Amino acid sequence: AQSVTQLDSHVSVSEGTPVLLRCNYSSSYSPSLFWYVQHPNKGLQLLLKYTSAATLVKGINGFEAEFKKSETSFHLTKPSAHMSDAAEYFCVVSGSGTYKYIFGTGTRLKVLA
Amino acid sequence: EPEVTQTPSHQVTQMGQEVILRCVPISNHLYFYWYRQILGQKVEFLVSFYNNEISEKSEIFDDQFSVERPDGSNFTLKIRSTKLEDSAMYFCASSEDRISSTDTQYFGPGTRLTVL
Repeated sequence: AQSVTQLDSHVSVSEGTPVLLRCNYSSSYSPSLFWYVQHPNKGLQLLLKYTSAATLVKGINGFEAEFKKSETSFHLTKPSAHMSDAAEYFCVVSGSGTYKYIFGTGTRLKVLA
Repeated sequence: EPEVTQTPSHQVTQMGQEVILRCVPISNHLYFYWYRQILGQKVEFLVSFYNNEISEKSEIFDDQFSVERPDGSNFTLKIRSTKLEDSAMYFCASSEDRISSTDTQYFGPGTRLTVL
């Protein structure tokens, strides 16, 4: 069975400092991994996805994530936080003959001025 | 940029009543999904739909739930007799194809269902 664990339910950073949102996955097969962001009263927006073509994936708004099979991790990073990054972030896994998404519990990112 | 839309944004209903949640997927997409998130819990898969058939469903999706694509644009989720535990945010999603499991699902803003 597949699963994802988001290690932090809340993360606070100061504007201009790096962001690290942690995600570990469990999968019997080569997984497909995604990060989605949800701003208040908005839908879930895709930030980036891992397609097995490259382990370092670049997404929108300066975010990137690195797939590390040995650590079963897919952490999301950004070098410099912006106030507009404040939102909830979801790590998602799919694959293994199913197209349904399996979500992590989410990490709420707060950016302090 | 095309978006998935959902109506209403908030639905309040009495226990035992039927509700229909509506979604308009992105126009050229062929695969449709419903997920839900109970407050404080994970987003959970309910059902996927393709070619006017359910292609996959979770154990949550019991006989009280049904989905339909009544016309060329809408995709609906019906709950026949709502229970208190159906209170949740319901998300609709669509995707263009399924050539691989990396196909991206595009989500709507959600409908918050409150059952009293």
